[in-house]
Amino acid sequence: DSGVTQTPKHLITATGQRVTLRCSPRSGDLSVYWYQQSLDQGLQFLIQYYNGEERAKGNILERFSAQQFPDLHSELNLSSLELGDSALYFCASSVGEGGNSPLHFGNGTRLTVT
Amino acid sequence: LAKTTQPISMDSYEGQEVNITCSHNNIATNDYITWYQQFPSQGPRFIIQGYKTKVTNEVASLFIPADRKSSTLSLPRVSLSDTAVYYCLVGGAGGTSYGKLTFGQGTILTVHP
Repeated sequence: DSGVTQTPKHLITATGQRVTLRCSPRSGDLSVYWYQQSLDQGLQFLIQYYNGEERAKGNILERFSAQQFPDLHSELNLSSLELGDSALYFCASSVGEGGNSPLHFGNGTRLTVT
Repeated sequence: LAKTTQPISMDSYEGQEVNITCSHNNIATNDYITWYQQFPSQGPRFIIQGYKTKVTNEVASLFIPADRKSSTLSLPRVSLSDTAVYYCLVGGAGGTSYGKLTFGQGTILTVHP
């Protein structure tokens, strides 16, 4: 158990809808990362927050947004969903904000867009 | 950002030592090298991290040559349960690679009986 909790585990929704994925980091970790993993794209870095502030942005679509709250949990919002958004979405947390702090991943949210 | 290159797949047998090499020619001074293991439908799991020379923990060793342009993850005496995808991740404590921890394609390791 990594200590990172993601909810829900599974989500099935229709195209055009909006969903929110939630992540609770390990106790004491200040950084939260979001990744998308689909069969043909591998693990894609979306965005990172550290102590409530956005720190780095990757290949995150404009239809997607995220935030980290004062209690350090994070939410990833996906809107105007398309079939291609179907994927596993992982959250990871770390103590620090750089690559010298190992990431601890949750078990992901599997999103299916129909 | 330091790009990583790994073999797409490797095969081994139970009880053998497995070495997976990752190439990262444009690694920056601040970058650390971290290896992760991922099983299907699970999040990657941290294995080991290093900056230079050799690091060993209870499950693996990490060898990093002086120029740091590559690294080798060594798994001693693998078992069937080590069948997984292994990722090499290079990222920094500062500079342009700060925070943008991008995974490569990984190496699919298959351990045979």
